[in-house]
Amino acid sequence: QVQLVQSGAEVKKPGASVKVSCKSSGPSFSAYYMHWVRQAPGHRLEWMGWINPSSGATSYAQMFQDRVSMTRDPSLRTTCMELSSLTSDDTAVYYCVRMSPNDSLVWGQGTLVTVSS
Amino acid sequence: EIVLTQSPGTLSLSPGERATLSCRASQSVGSSYLAWYQQKAGQAPRLLIYGAATRATGIPDRFSGSGSGTDFTLTISRLEPEDFAVYYCQQYGRSPWTFGQGTKVEIK
Repeated sequence: QVQLVQSGAEVKKPGASVKVSCKSSGPSFSAYYMHWVRQAPGHRLEWMGWINPSSGATSYAQMFQDRVSMTRDPSLRTTCMELSSLTSDDTAVYYCVRMSPNDSLVWGQGTLVTVSS
Repeated sequence: EIVLTQSPGTLSLSPGERATLSCRASQSVGSSYLAWYQQKAGQAPRLLIYGAATRATGIPDRFSGSGSGTDFTLTISRLEPEDFAVYYCQQYGRSPWTFGQGTKVEIK
């Protein structure tokens, strides 16, 4: 059974960066891309990008292209998403998500990032 | 990118009634990689349906999904009080993953 456990809530000042981690337990850590999705208050879910845990290859949504970085550490079964140049518009809950072997989807519990001066 | 359009925006129904939610894609969703979620205020999305029609673990059988290609439907056969929430569809067959804007099911 795949489970994803994310790091805790963060409060950041405008212009800062935030790094959110996602630890995977269960089978097939490297077999499925890890995606990151966010949801700002009152908004729909928004895809940010993916990382291939096996190769480290990434693909980012155009709107985040210049300030997002996704990394992984297979030895720790952990992937990370770092977002820089934060503004109040980046206040959101951030989720890691991946497929499971039966084509279902597994979500982390979410990490609230608050950007405030 | 595949755009998902959900309708209606809001559905006002009474407990015990049937709810039918629609999700239309701007192009075909590959291999029916279409999911439905329920979300309540302050909570993470809860996966209901994946692969267009397969219920996730622990989801009651009053929830059912159908459709293929560009037209998908989530049906709640008899609304229970805990079913009043916002519902989202998502396609995960093609990158980038995309989500619908949501349908709110509210108590009439």
